[in-house]
Amino acid sequence: ELKVEQNPLFLSMQEGKNYTIYCNYSTTSDRLYWYRQDPGKSLESLFVLLSNGAVKQEGRLMASLDTKARLSTLHITAAVHDLSATYFCAVDIDYGGSQGNLIFGKGTKLSVKP
Amino acid sequence: EAGVAQSPRYKIIEKRQSVAFWCNPISGHATLYWYQQILGQGPKLLIQFQNNGVVDDSQLPKDRFSAERLKGVDSTLKIQPAKLEDSAVYLCASSLYRERGYGYTFGSGTRLTVV
Repeated sequence: ELKVEQNPLFLSMQEGKNYTIYCNYSTTSDRLYWYRQDPGKSLESLFVLLSNGAVKQEGRLMASLDTKARLSTLHITAAVHDLSATYFCAVDIDYGGSQGNLIFGKGTKLSVKP
Repeated sequence: EAGVAQSPRYKIIEKRQSVAFWCNPISGHATLYWYQQILGQGPKLLIQFQNNGVVDDSQLPKDRFSAERLKGVDSTLKIQPAKLEDSAVYLCASSLYRERGYGYTFGSGTRLTVV
């Protein structure tokens, strides 16, 4: 059974601090997505990682992918309150040439406090 | 570019009633997905369409859930009869070409409460 595990599930940070969210998955995949979800809202795409070693950065967030270790990380630098949200990683499953679909982790609820 | 449209935004029904949700994907997107997101969990795929054909419906509770995609564009998801455990947000997503890494665009979702 395919598993996508995120940790931690809950994260309370102080503003200005750094932290990393981890996403482990149990099947072969070279595509991984990170989404942000605010309460009562839909999923906002943050990063699309398409190959081993891929690294993408946007503002205070940086995501990386190690397909050999089946691990992706989302690093937060100098957190600010506006980053408070739930972050999901999702692994793209290949149907062997046809369209894939996403298997999500349980999400990491991030709270950034002054 | 218009996003993925879903309606209604909210729905409250009694158990054993029926309900339907509608989704209009981004124009030209061949693939459409319905996900169920229970409170506090990540979304779970219910059904995937490629144009108007079903690619994967292995996690769709077929005794009560049904879905169709008319003419390869709009889609409806129906629940009949609803159970309390169906309370969730139902998200529709669409994608263009997976191989090009365009990713998946999600709609705002329909929040269903079964009482």
